[in-house]
Amino acid sequence: GAVVSQHPSRVICKSGTSVKIECRSLDFQATTMFWYRQFPKQSLMLMATSNEGSKATYEQGVEKDKFLINHASLTLSTLTVTSAHPEDSSFYICSARGTSGFNEQYFGPGTRLTVT
Amino acid sequence: GDSVTQMEGPVTLSEEAFLTINCTYTATGYPSLFWYVQYPGEGLQLLLKATKADDKGSNKGFEATYRKETTSFHLEKGSVQVSDSAVYFCAGGSNYKLTFGKGTLLTVNP
Repeated sequence: GAVVSQHPSRVICKSGTSVKIECRSLDFQATTMFWYRQFPKQSLMLMATSNEGSKATYEQGVEKDKFLINHASLTLSTLTVTSAHPEDSSFYICSARGTSGFNEQYFGPGTRLTVT
Repeated sequence: GDSVTQMEGPVTLSEEAFLTINCTYTATGYPSLFWYVQYPGEGLQLLLKATKADDKGSNKGFEATYRKETTSFHLEKGSVQVSDSAVYFCAGGSNYKLTFGKGTLLTVNP
């Protein structure tokens, strides 16, 4: 149980284009989903927290107009990187928290974004 | 704000050696504490957790005890295997938000 999937697992896009990453909770309802960014050999940096049906809360320094987050249902959240640039290349990981289990997050496998 | 400090790697061990990865935390209040493992090219998997002082989390031979007096949550395993090679992250959380350490790369050689 508690499986989170991400799609795509890898994506390459050209500079200036937008790319959407999906995060799905497959066997539970996720009231809260989190989006992280991980640079090579570094820890996870929380980008934003999204609750179903409401606007995402972005961490300080994260551009909300560049990283659009939509949590339209209890099983799906999407992250859209708009007008991507090479510096946006990174490993993006989502996690989902269900209605039970104090503070426990279940992580997706990650999406490797490369902007050329 | 909350912070988690863990032992910097990389750590290289021979199979069946004893493993310790140190982790200390700074937080207001008493966060839940976690160890996550990340295998190459994959996302994070929860390894073990502890939600209050003196709790011991354990899984797959790994253990960690929540020490309030030293604000620590050190990860230990008595006999590592090659398959344990991965990056290990210590994390602490309260109010539904996790703070991660920088990760420790463990390589176990046969």
